[in-house]
Amino acid sequence: DVKVTQSSRYLVKRTGEKVFLECVQDMDHENMFWYRQDPGLGLRLIYFSYDVKMKEKGDIPEGYSVSREKKERFSLILESASTNQTSMYLCASTSRAANYGYTFGSGTRLTVV
Amino acid sequence: SQQGEEDPQALSIQEGENATMNCSYKTSINNLQWYRQNSGRGLVHLILIRSNEREKHSGRLRVTLDTSKKSSSLLITASRAADTASYFCATEGGNNRLAFGKGNQVVVIP
Repeated sequence: DVKVTQSSRYLVKRTGEKVFLECVQDMDHENMFWYRQDPGLGLRLIYFSYDVKMKEKGDIPEGYSVSREKKERFSLILESASTNQTSMYLCASTSRAANYGYTFGSGTRLTVV
Repeated sequence: SQQGEEDPQALSIQEGENATMNCSYKTSINNLQWYRQNSGRGLVHLILIRSNEREKHSGRLRVTLDTSKKSSSLLITASRAADTASYFCATEGGNNRLAFGKGNQVVVIP
């Protein structure tokens, strides 16, 4: 069963901490994405990557960075967590071939206190 | 970026009834996709319709696309309690990036 695995379902961190959210996919997908989901705002794209060592800013990259050292792994980094980064974080991947849907992970609910 | 907008935002129906949701978007697209999200979980891909297609079926799901009106509809026939979820439309404009709408909450009452 193909899947995208996010390392944590729930995470509580303190303001100012450096936070790593990990995402691993086993489908050999080229494209990987990080979204955050907030009530009333839907899903907003933070960063995405089309290949190893490549990264592109999405719509709300401020306060975040990413790393893609291996094809299967895409990490989201909060350099200095703040309370307004409390959110549900969703990782997704898809094949470079057009017209395929995304496969999402189960999400990480991050609370910054 | 492009964005789907679903209408209505919340829908409550009896089990066995049909549920219809609509989505509008603003710019040209390569395809439009629908996803389901159960409470607190990740999104699950339901169906993809290409810009040159007008209708597509998958099981109890029927999706239509009207590119002249920049709108799509998702019909779930003979709804079940397990269909209770949020439904999102998303548009893809040619760069593998999806822009999501804010979602439709559907509650199916047993």
